[in-house]
Amino acid sequence: GENVEQHPSTLSVQEGDSAVIKCTYSDSASNYFPWYKQELGKRPQLIIDIRSNVGEKKDQRIAVTLNKTAKHFSLHITETQPEDSAVYFCAALLPFGNEKLTFGTGTRLTIIP
Amino acid sequence: DAGITQSPRHKVTETGTPVTLRCHQTENHRYMYWYRQDPGHGLRLIHYSYGVKDTDKGEVSDGYSVSRSKTEDFLLTLESATSSQTSVYFCAISDSGANVLTFGAGSRLTVL
Repeated sequence: GENVEQHPSTLSVQEGDSAVIKCTYSDSASNYFPWYKQELGKRPQLIIDIRSNVGEKKDQRIAVTLNKTAKHFSLHITETQPEDSAVYFCAALLPFGNEKLTFGTGTRLTIIP
Repeated sequence: DAGITQSPRHKVTETGTPVTLRCHQTENHRYMYWYRQDPGHGLRLIHYSYGVKDTDKGEVSDGYSVSRSKTEDFLLTLESATSSQTSVYFCAISDSGANVLTFGAGSRLTVL
């Protein structure tokens, strides 16, 4: 099956600075890579995703990049704000009828005012 | 909220007792999932369903069983709860096979 590693486990950045979270996956057949954000005491929610036929995707202050050769993908948050403080999870999905997302272990991002 | 509800939201039970968590959706989505969330482990899949009476195991299925007799309901049962099953359990739904999961609010289970 798929294995997803996520780093760092905790990250603190000054408000206004950028944050980068990295994930690596083991199975080169994985073709869908979502990112979920979980605020304290809340449910995880999808914030951005990317498919293997795309190298980069942006949505306002967040972006995801994918390097299929190296089997890693990253979440970039620019101009960080206090509301960006949360736990972020990356995930990878194998195709071919496998409906199981494999999640990374999460990154706790803290924005320092 | 988001057409998915979990019950109970909090439960404290004793080792050896049976526990059933319920996930109910009003979205008519085909796929339903049960995950557990533990510090340092992220979200781990327990079981999932791809239709009524169609279920399959995830990566941490030992000690858990599921049932789906209706599209809208997916039940997770711990036949004999153990302290290692103390966790937060999330149900999720999807209409396209793990693409874009919508999560429930979670059920916090404590096994003493």
